[in-house]
Amino acid sequence: AQTVTQSQPEMSVQEAETVTLSCTYDTSESDYYLFWYKQPPSRQMILVIRQEAYKQQNATENRFSVNFQKAAKSFSLKISDSQLGDAAMYFCAYRGEGGGADGLTFGKGTHLIIQP
Amino acid sequence: DAGVTQSPTHLIKTRGQQVTLRCSPKSGHDTVSWYQQALGQGPQFIFQYYEEEERQRGNFPDRFSGHQFPNYSSELNVNALLLGDSALYLCASSEVWGTDTQYFGPGTRLTVL
Repeated sequence: AQTVTQSQPEMSVQEAETVTLSCTYDTSESDYYLFWYKQPPSRQMILVIRQEAYKQQNATENRFSVNFQKAAKSFSLKISDSQLGDAAMYFCAYRGEGGGADGLTFGKGTHLIIQP
Repeated sequence: DAGVTQSPTHLIKTRGQQVTLRCSPKSGHDTVSWYQQALGQGPQFIFQYYEEEERQRGNFPDRFSGHQFPNYSSELNVNALLLGDSALYLCASSEVWGTDTQYFGPGTRLTVL
């Protein structure tokens, strides 16, 4: 079974600075997908960024980028120019490629605090 | 374009009762997945529905069952509620079975007393 580990229960960063959230995963599959989701206090899980394992290029979405190290099974999220609205729980998630009906496997999350 | 919607927002039940939660997928999506998120934890996959059939199931007992309707909406049913079933229940939809990104609804907060 796949597992996802987020080793930082909480991170704090000053507004406008850069922060990196860590995620490692364990899998025996070669093709899979990785995601970062954001969950603000409103509870709605919002997709931040997605990475396909077969793509060597790291995904970017505006101020959000990932550092995907397939051999190390590491998938970190970098948030540049942090804004107050970035404060939320951030979840790393894995989905296998195989067969079509895979659910997401989530980590326990990292609580990101933005200091004004 | 409406996103994923869920009802009700909150629900309070007592042990032993049964509950039904509802989900309407995002327009154009045909696959619905359900997740349970206990307080302070990441979501856990319950099951996924496509073409009105349960396609895959996580590690949940058969007290948890579901249904998908021809319009792709879905229900999650939980029988014989336990205190440990208290959680946020999230529904997610995707456009193509198993291959696309899942988009989440706002969730239903279930409290079992």
